[in-house]
Amino acid sequence: EIVLTQSPGTLSLSPGERATLSCRASQSVSSSYLAWYQQKPGQAPRLLIYGASSRATGIPDRFSGSGSGTDFTLTISRLEPEDFAVYYCQQYGSSPPGLTFGGGTKVEIK
Amino acid sequence: QVQLQESGPGLVKPSETLSLTCAVSGYSISSGYYWGWIRQPPGKGLEWIGSIYHSGSTYYNPSLKSRVTISVDTSKNQFSLKLSSVTAADTAVYYCARHLGSGWRIDYWGQGTLVTVSS
Repeated sequence: EIVLTQSPGTLSLSPGERATLSCRASQSVSSSYLAWYQQKPGQAPRLLIYGASSRATGIPDRFSGSGSGTDFTLTISRLEPEDFAVYYCQQYGSSPPGLTFGGGTKVEIK
Repeated sequence: QVQLQESGPGLVKPSETLSLTCAVSGYSISSGYYWGWIRQPPGKGLEWIGSIYHSGSTYYNPSLKSRVTISVDTSKNQFSLKLSSVTAADTAVYYCARHLGSGWRIDYWGQGTLVTVSS
């Protein structure tokens, strides 16, 4: 089973700053199988990035994803007030088929 | 617009079976895609429970497999979760979701329903 470790646990930043979130896998993951989600309090998660770097429908271009192998990154170029939330990475494993989520990174207002 | 809505008891007694249903609108389950359940204990992260393909093939989290059953009713355009022998550790918000693509990305989520396990 592949384990996803997200860091840091909490990121304290100001609006307008750049946020860099890390997701590290215990084994190599196909880039096609890596996604990122945003979750705000009391809401279901929302898909931001899939295939490691493709933005989902309606997601602003300040969100970008990159990485390969075991190291993946979600970058928010300039934080807007609505971006303060918890972010999760997710990978799909094929043997057996299933999903794994990272523990999450909370981006909070400094 | 695809919409998913969970329903079921909000309180379940320890050792009993948790049962939830997800009603889908705006898309016919029989047309394709995978349909799954994800849970989130209060204040904690997300855990995949299992998924079902529109044809009925099921896939379960190995850590829960012995207690989980997911089924689909295409005539009602809904799918269901049963989790047996529940304990307080099963207290969580339960989400139903649609996932697709080679990476099973989740593009639609239900709003979530809190299920508390307590006597």
